[in-house]
Amino acid sequence: DAKTTQPTSMDCAEGRAANLPCNHSTISGNEYVYWYRQIHSQGPQYIIHGLKNNETNEMASLIITEDRKSSTLILPHATLRDTAVYYCIVSDSGSARQLTFGSGTQLTVLP
Amino acid sequence: GAVVSQHPSWVICKSGTSVKIECRSLDFQATTMFWYRQFPKQSLMLMATSNEGSKATYEQGVEKDKFLINHASLTLSTLTVTSAHPEDSSFYICSARDHKVDTQYFGPGTRLTVL
Repeated sequence: DAKTTQPTSMDCAEGRAANLPCNHSTISGNEYVYWYRQIHSQGPQYIIHGLKNNETNEMASLIITEDRKSSTLILPHATLRDTAVYYCIVSDSGSARQLTFGSGTQLTVLP
Repeated sequence: GAVVSQHPSWVICKSGTSVKIECRSLDFQATTMFWYRQFPKQSLMLMATSNEGSKATYEQGVEKDKFLINHASLTLSTLTVTSAHPEDSSFYICSARDHKVDTQYFGPGTRLTVL
């Protein structure tokens, strides 16, 4: 039972902002939204996470809707090196905070 | 971000042998580490949760006697694939949870090929 829904693939022009959507309509009050990305044949790389408020770091911004049922990851100036599979994950509410990976979004940044 | 290492990065072994994979958190202590497996063109599948000083918790369908996990210190967890067979060939990835920032950081993965 998938907790998140993401588009299978997206393209973005180099230098433009990449906006990756994620639906998590069944999220509970104490669950965080995490974003990771995986470049081919590498381990996933942590990008950002948030609970309610919008978050920004050196890699990306995370916009969470007020009802917390969806979110958007924004890469402000996409580069070719941002081509990867992006995973939106709602954390397990247990103490172990297991991460369940869905299919993710294949983002391709085009020159 | 925090650094998690894995060793080896790749290994080729004969069917029937055992292979040990190490996962280390280099700049933080991790009471909880996780082991994942990823087959080609598929997403990561959680195999087990490794807790320092106690027995690992395995996901349904993962044989605990085949995939031995040891988490002897706050910076090291090991996964041993016992009596490996070709169907065990996969990309094995570990992660370690940094409780201070409530975030998991992943290792670079280990490519296992069983001939």
